[in-house]
Amino acid sequence: GDSVTQMEGPVTLSEEACLTINCTYTATGYPSLFWYVQYPGEGLQLLLKATKADDKGSNKGFEATYRKETTSFHLEKGSVQVSDSAVYFCALFNQAGTALIFGKGTTLSVSS
Amino acid sequence: DGGITQSPKYLFRKEGQNVTLSCEQNLNHDAMYWYRQDPGQGLRLIYYSQIVNDFQKGDIAEGYSVSREKKESFPLTVTSAQKNPTAFYLCASALAGSTETQYFGPGTRLLVL
Repeated sequence: GDSVTQMEGPVTLSEEACLTINCTYTATGYPSLFWYVQYPGEGLQLLLKATKADDKGSNKGFEATYRKETTSFHLEKGSVQVSDSAVYFCALFNQAGTALIFGKGTTLSVSS
Repeated sequence: DGGITQSPKYLFRKEGQNVTLSCEQNLNHDAMYWYRQDPGQGLRLIYYSQIVNDFQKGDIAEGYSVSREKKESFPLTVTSAQKNPTAFYLCASALAGSTETQYFGPGTRLLVL
């Protein structure tokens, strides 16, 4: 079945450091891919998405490119801020077209 | 303001008790979803509904029940048959024809006394 694998955290960075959170997926066909962010005690917010191969999603300085050759959708940011501290979830929309399949989440902690 | 509201923020359940979590949206979305989040785990789908008066089981429906009598409301009942209910419960909604883009509520944390 469809699945998503993310790098395990926590990821601890200093402010202004570069961020990469790896995400790979297993799916039939070419599903839409998403990154969601969850701040402490809150629900999930859609950060960015890509719907087809080679698409680049971007938002708030974060980027991710849909790579069908490597079945990956890594999240990147050139300079993180303390306010970026949160849990990041990679997800795909399943083949049946009924629901999102999530990775386990990666906790990012940024210190000043 | 349009959005999804979940209540209560925290809920306590006693042994053998059924509890109901509320989810309301004023986004005029057709589809609604319930997910369960456990520490260190991703979200897992409990139930979903793509239209009023119809709903489908997700991956972990056992011990849960739902209803969809109104477009804007999708309450989740955690029954006594759910032996490990302690978790963070998230409701989401989406437009028909664009159900891959889901919008989430703030969540309800359920704790067992």
